[in-house]
Amino acid sequence: GAVVSQHPSWVICKSGTSVKIECRSLDFQATTMFWYRQFPKQSLMLMATSNEGSKATYEQGVEKDKFLINHASLTLSTLTVTSAHPEDSSFYICSASLAGGPNEQFFGPGTRLTVL
Amino acid sequence: KQEVTQIPAALSVPEGENLVLNCSFTDSAIYNLQWFRQDPGKGLTSLLLIQSSQREQTSGRLNASLDKSSGRSTLYIAASQPGDSATYLCAVPRTGANNLFFGTGTRLTVIP
Repeated sequence: GAVVSQHPSWVICKSGTSVKIECRSLDFQATTMFWYRQFPKQSLMLMATSNEGSKATYEQGVEKDKFLINHASLTLSTLTVTSAHPEDSSFYICSASLAGGPNEQFFGPGTRLTVL
Repeated sequence: KQEVTQIPAALSVPEGENLVLNCSFTDSAIYNLQWFRQDPGKGLTSLLLIQSSQREQTSGRLNASLDKSSGRSTLYIAASQPGDSATYLCAVPRTGANNLFFGTGTRLTVIP
């Protein structure tokens, strides 16, 4: 149980295009999901907290207009990188915890984004 | 602000050795601590979760300890195997939230 999936697992796009990444909790409901970013040889850094039915909460320094987050249901959150640039190339990982936390975090397999 | 540090940053050991990875955190007001494994280019695999009321957790060859008062946790790996080669991350929850602060990671290489 407690499986989180991400789609796509990797994506290559041209500079200026937008990319959508999906995060799904497959066998549980998650009122809150988290989006992290990991640059090469660095640890994970929280980008934003995605709350079902409400606006996401962004960490300092993360542009909300560039990284659009939608949490339309209890099992799906999406991250859209708008007008992507090469510096947005990174590994994006989402996580979710069982509703009613605090609880163990379950992580998706990550999405490797490369912007040419 | 919580800061999580892991020492060493990298470690190479011959197969069969026992080893200890260290994690320290600055704010001891945590309610749990998790250890994760990350293979290159992959997501995270949760290894062990220790609640604040616990001192240690064991899973197979892995044993994690937690000392909240000193802000430290250790991950002990017994009889290391080449398949244990990966980056190991410790993480603690943010106060009042469920998201995690991650340590800097220890990259482990077990040499056959």
